Amino acid sequence: ETGVTQTPRHLVMGMTNKKSLKCEQHLGHNAMYWYKQSAKKPLELMFVYSLEERVENNSVPSRFSPECPNSSHLFLHLHTLQPEDSALYLCASSQDRQGRFFGQGTRLTVV
Amino acid sequence: QKEVEQDPGPLSVPEGAIVSLNCTYSNSAFQYFMWYRQYSRKGPELLMYTYSSGNKEDGRFTAQVDKSSKYISLFIRDSQPSDSATYLCAMGGGTSGTYKYIFGTGTRLKVLA
Repeated sequence: ETGVTQTPRHLVMGMTNKKSLKCEQHLGHNAMYWYKQSAKKPLELMFVYSLEERVENNSVPSRFSPECPNSSHLFLHLHTLQPEDSALYLCASSQDRQGRFFGQGTRLTVV
Repeated sequence: QKEVEQDPGPLSVPEGAIVSLNCTYSNSAFQYFMWYRQYSRKGPELLMYTYSSGNKEDGRFTAQVDKSSKYISLFIRDSQPSDSATYLCAMGGGTSGTYKYIFGTGTRLKVLA
């Protein structure tokens, strides 16, 4: 595996479900990110972890809960989501403030 | 005023044309500038990364930064149908914080064979 890998690629969940998105980076980077991408909107930064410590939390609702157990893995735990949370969720990594390297994303649909 | 403005397109050009994609921004503190290419149903792919003003060339791609005008450009020479994608600009640094890069909404490019 190379680059940034996200699983699952697609997820359909009910509003009462709990699910998790997983991200793994094989680039040796020291920072990892979660972004949300909705149609016709710019990428929205959700969370940033640097050296496994959360350094940014962009006023994201508590129904999104990140976890970074080590510098290569990042999770986004989801619970009681709303239909407006349906979007493409992208994980990225970088070395310090260098350019972001993105995964393929998880297409989330909340029904 | 948005921090980063990008024409959404779509921009349609014939194969072989020179393509010019642009972004304007309002925060004069930005120091890092990037261009990404995103194919449908894929994650963004980093194309160019530049620091401060000037030009950077990589194959058929040239990135230009004009900090005095708060304007960045990506030029694609000899465009190919495989270049058809959405192109995102991104920028950050200075007062925006270490990790907070601001993205444009993307310009959709179609290169016609």
